[in-house]
Amino acid sequence: GDSVTQMEGPVTLSEEAFLTINCTYTATGYPSLFWYVQYPGEGLQLLLKATKADDKGSNKGFEATYRKETTSFHLEKGSVQVSDSAVYFCALTRKEYGNKLVFGAGTILRVKS
Amino acid sequence: DTAVSQTPKYLVTQMGNDKSIKCEQNLGHDTMYWYKQDSKKFLKIMFSYNNKELIINETVPNRFSPKSPDKAHLNLHINSLELGDSAVYFCASSQSGRDTEAFFGQGTRLTVV
Repeated sequence: GDSVTQMEGPVTLSEEAFLTINCTYTATGYPSLFWYVQYPGEGLQLLLKATKADDKGSNKGFEATYRKETTSFHLEKGSVQVSDSAVYFCALTRKEYGNKLVFGAGTILRVKS
Repeated sequence: DTAVSQTPKYLVTQMGNDKSIKCEQNLGHDTMYWYKQDSKKFLKIMFSYNNKELIINETVPNRFSPKSPDKAHLNLHINSLELGDSAVYFCASSQSGRDTEAFFGQGTRLTVV
């Protein structure tokens, strides 16, 4: 079945450091790919998405590119802030399966000032 | 004006009790979901309804019964609660079709003692 693998955390960075969180997926067909973020005590919010190969999703300084050849969707940010501390989830959906989200295990990001 | 709202936010109950969690969305979406987040933050789909019809029913114990009285509401009833049911339950909604994002509620933290 479909699956998503993302790097284990926690990831601890200093403010203004460069962030990469790796995400790879296994799925047949052409899934849509998402990054969701969960701030402490809150629900999930969509951070960015990409729906076809070579698409780049971007939002709030975060970027991820849909790479079909490597089945990857790595999340990057050039300069993190303390307010970026949260749990980040990579996920995929396929319309054939009712658009249910298949999530990675989540990566905790801690940014120190 | 909250897009996806769940009640209650916290629920503490004893083993063996029956409890319900309610969810409402005002986004006009036709599909609603229940996800379970365990203590390690892992998220997994439980159920999905499209236009009041059950379309996804993952391997969830029969003690869990979703009900969708209309497109805007999806409730979750749990019978004979067990310690292992302790988790955060998230309701979400989306519009069917490709490339759609899901909107999540704030979650209900269920603690079974």
